[in-house]
Order: sequence, then C-alpha cells, then structure tokens
Amino acid sequence: QVQLQQWGAGMLKPSETLSLTCAVYGGSFSGDYWSWIRQPPGKGLEWIGEINRGGSTYYNPSLKSRVTMSVDTSKKQFSLKLSSLTAADTAVYFCARGYGSGSFYNYWGQGTLVTVSS
Amino acid sequence: DIQMTQSPSTLSASVGDRVTITCRASQSISSWLAWYQQKPGKAPKFLIYKASSLESGVPSRFSGSGSGTEFTLTISSLQPDDFATYYCQQYKSYSITFGQGTRLEIK
Repeated sequence: QVQLQQWGAGMLKPSETLSLTCAVYGGSFSGDYWSWIRQPPGKGLEWIGEINRGGSTYYNPSLKSRVTMSVDTSKKQFSLKLSSLTAADTAVYFCARGYGSGSFYNYWGQGTLVTVSS
Repeated sequence: DIQMTQSPSTLSASVGDRVTITCRASQSISSWLAWYQQKPGKAPKFLIYKASSLESGVPSRFSGSGSGTEFTLTISSLQPDDFATYYCQQYKSYSITFGQGTRLEIK
C-alpha cells in the first residue's frame, strides 16, 4: 500500500519561495511519476506539474516560470519550489502519484495549506 | 490547454436517488478521463479511470461512460457517504486539467 506524507512551511510572505516535500512509503518509487496539484480555498483543482525518477519534468505553462520540481530517489522523496509568491498562490497543495506519465492519480498526500500574506 | 466543464455545479438529491454528473471537454480526449470524489478537508479519492473503469474497492453503484468530448458519472443509488464534491480530469495531454467540480448535496 502506497502512502504519501508531505510537509513544508504553511505561512509565507509575498515574493518568498514555497518549498514542500513529499515522502513515499510502500510500493515502487523508481518506475512512478510524481505530481503536485493545488486547490485554492473553496475552488477547484489545478495541476502544477510532474517529475519522474530520472528528473524529467512537465510543468503547467501558467506556472512554469516559477516552478522547480526535484526528486531524491535515495530518500524516496520529491519536492516542489514555487517562487515569487503572491496571495493568488494561497492554496492547499497536494502531492500525488501518477499511474503513468501524464495520467490519473491513485494516491494522494494529505495536503498542506500554504497561506501567502504580508 | 483542454478545458473541462462540469454540469451541474451543484446537485441536490436524496438517499436512494440515481444521479448523473456530466463532464465536457473542449476537444476530443478519447477515453482519457478520470473521476474523483472529494470531501471537505480531505484529498481527492480516485474513483474511475479511462472513462469507465472502476478503481478496485470503489462501490459498483458508481459508473462512468462516454468518449470523445462528453462523459458522465452516475451513482445508481445514493448513499449517505456519497455526498461530496466530484471532479473530472483529462489526461489526454499536458497540461492536465480538471473540471470545476460538482457539489452533491442532500436535498
């Protein structure tokens, strides 16, 4: 059974950089695809991007200039950085496992509320 | 980007009712569509992939259909645990996109 556990700072100021990490327990890490998805309060889901074990990435074009994803296979962890934050980046951020590249998500982390406020 | 539009935005129904939620894609996505259920304060729960394939462990009262640009999620007999928000998601191409959600509430 795969479990994803995520953590990171929950309160940030405008212009700062968000940093979140997701650890994977159980299942295979090497052959899988890992994503970040966010949800502003009371709103729908927005895909941020995907990374695989080899470090290949796909990012949402609307966020691409500010997003960096990385993976640490030795720790079975992957991370998200989002720079130049504004209040519009306030959201619950989820990590998730894709069934394949650019696929659906069958396992999700618990979510981290990130609030951007001065 | 492929735009996904769900209808209705809110649906009021009673336990035992049969309900259908529609999801439309702005261009053909073949059958590359998934459905999720989300309850307040929780991560989405994966229900259906490839438009009509039920994830293991998901009750058989849930079913999906459609291809191309029009898809439906049907719950054959609503149970108390089914009142939640439902999202469709296309994975035909990057960037992956979700519908805006359909809130299923108790009548």
